[in-house]
Amino acid sequence: SQQGEEDPQALSIQEGENATMNCSYKTSINNLQWYRQNSGRGLVHLILIRSNEREKHSGRLRVTLDTSKKSSSLLITASRAADTASYFCATALYIQGAQKLVFGQGTRLTINP
Amino acid sequence: DGGITQSPKYLFRKEGQNVTLSCEQNLNHDAMYWYRQDPGQGLRLIYYSQIVNDFQKGDIAEGYSVSREKKESFPLTVTSAQKNPTAFYLCASSIPSAAGGPYEQFFGPGTRLTVL
Repeated sequence: SQQGEEDPQALSIQEGENATMNCSYKTSINNLQWYRQNSGRGLVHLILIRSNEREKHSGRLRVTLDTSKKSSSLLITASRAADTASYFCATALYIQGAQKLVFGQGTRLTINP
Repeated sequence: DGGITQSPKYLFRKEGQNVTLSCEQNLNHDAMYWYRQDPGQGLRLIYYSQIVNDFQKGDIAEGYSVSREKKESFPLTVTSAQKNPTAFYLCASSIPSAAGGPYEQFFGPGTRLTVL
C-alpha cells in the first residue's frame, strides 16, 4: 500500500520560477524523505526531515513538515532546466527495528527553458 | 568509486522462466532493499535485508525470492509464479536503522525487465 499521496501529479513551469510539490500521508512517521528520479534512472536522495522538525533547507531546496496535518512540501527555488525530473516523498516507518520507506506516486516536474 | 551496481540494465524473459537480477554495493552498508516500479507509479518494497543471512518480505514479495550470502550482494529472482513481472526494478542500500539514524537510502541505476 502507498501511504504518500503527492500533489500535483505533474507540474510544468518556466525556468527561474519556484516549484512547490506537496505530500500527504496517513499514519504517524519517524521521518520523511524526498527523492528525485531522472527518467529511467535510479533515485537520488535530496533531503530528510525528522518528525520533530518543521523546516529544513539544502541549497535551493526547502522542505516543511506539518505532522498535525500529516503533510509535507518541497519547494525548489529559482528552477533550472536540469531540475526536470520526478520527485517522490517517502515516509519512514519502523517495523521490528527496521526502517521501511513507503513511497508516494511522485510529481513529474518539467522546467521549460 | 563507491556505489551500487545493478545488472543487466535491460532484461528480456519468456513467460515461465525464472530470472535473477544482480545488485552489488561497495558502500559497506548492512541494509539492502529491492523495489519494483511500474510506469508512472512510486516504488513498492519487495524484500529487504538488515544483515547478512537474514531478509524479510516487503509489501509485494509473492513470486519473488532473494538471498543474502554476502554483505555486498543481494540478488533478486523473479520466478514464474510472478504474474505480471514486467517492471523497473531498483535495488538500494543504507546504514541499518539499528545503528541509530534515520538514514537515507542509496539507489542503483535499475534493471528494466520485460516479459515477452
